[in-house]
Order: sequence, then C-alpha cells, then structure tokens
Amino acid sequence: GESVGLHLPTLSVQEGDNSIINCAYSNSASDYFIWYKQESGKGPQFIIDIRSNMDKRQGQRVTVLLNKTVKHLSLQIAATQPGDSAVYFCAENLLTQFYFGTGTSLTVIP
Amino acid sequence: DAGVIQSPRHEVTEMGQEVTLRCKPISGHDYLFWYRQTMMRGLELLIYFNNNVPIDDSGMPEDRFSAKMPNASFSTLKIQPSEPRDSAVYFCASSLTTGNTEAFFGQGTRLTVV
Repeated sequence: GESVGLHLPTLSVQEGDNSIINCAYSNSASDYFIWYKQESGKGPQFIIDIRSNMDKRQGQRVTVLLNKTVKHLSLQIAATQPGDSAVYFCAENLLTQFYFGTGTSLTVIP
Repeated sequence: DAGVIQSPRHEVTEMGQEVTLRCKPISGHDYLFWYRQTMMRGLELLIYFNNNVPIDDSGMPEDRFSAKMPNASFSTLKIQPSEPRDSAVYFCASSLTTGNTEAFFGQGTRLTVV
C-alpha cells in the first residue's frame, strides 16, 4: 500500500506577530521538558526548558507554559521573525531519556 | 567545545553494504543518544549510553543495527547489511550527568541506501 508520512501541523504567521505552538506530552511522570528548533538540514537546537515544578518560564522572545493537569506544553514566540521559520519539537524527559513529539512547522511570512 | 560532531554528513551506499556512522560527544557529557529521523516516524530514540555503557537499546529496529561506545569520546552506529528502508537522518546527541539537562545534537548523518 501507499506509504503516508507524518502530517506535521503547520503554522503560518506574519512577521512581527506572536506565535503559539502547542504540544501534548505522554507521561505524567515526566519531570523536565524542552523545546527544540530544527532548521532544514540541521540538528535540533535547544530553545528553552522548564521543570515540572514550574508552570511558566521566559527567555528572550520566548515563553514556555506547562499545564500538568492536561499534559500540555506551549511555546510562545514574541515578534516572530523570518529566522524563526523552522520545525519546533517539544521533548519530555523521563528517567534520563528524551521523548520527542512529531513537531510543528512554523512559516513566517515577511 | 565544537559541539557534538558526527561523520560523515552524507552517506550513500548500496543495499547489503555495511554502514558505520560516527559520533564524538561533547567532552564531559556522560549520556550519549542515537536518534533516527524520518518523515514516516519522526524522531525516534534508538539507543542511549551512560558512561559508555548501553542502557536501553529497545529502540534499535533490528539485529542489523548495533552501537558501541568504546570510550567517552567516541561512539559508532553500524548497520549491516543495510536496506533501503534504513534511509534516514541519524542524529547523535549528548547530555550531562545530572539528567535534567538539555541534550545537544550533532548535525546528523543523512543516509541513503539504494
């Protein structure tokens, strides 16, 4: 039969607007979470992390929100720039292993 | 530090041939991970090491895949014999001992088996 690839969620935003990327994680025992950015032809790069004892953490232009009740993470990017175009992955850490979501493709329209 | 270094960046090989992918983790990192990325399955953990010892290889797809870490600064992932369905980007990543720290990824090896 025909092979079907992963259907990455996509998000298109205008340059200068804010972006929100969402992620549902699997294991309620996961205690550490990371957002990674992957540009074409490169490996995933760390953006920001958050531990399970927090519900919000801010970096430069990025904010991560953690809702443990519904096992949900979000990444907010302020004033999105063309260089932010990439695939964004959330990763949960459980017993020293990292488990990655399928990713969201962000396209910034100049 | 130059980060996690993988070689080669690209590998094209014929079906049935042996393929060896190499990784140099960041100095001082005690954890090393091998991942495979495909359009079909996304980013999958194949195996990881702690202090050069394989801890969990449950993600290794078949006996054709093997990984070694002879010392703290070098690891290999070998596929023998290779098959077209092994075509993917293979990433190596390393992280510090403390566990709850980020994993740093290499640039990946794009493997094409024809």
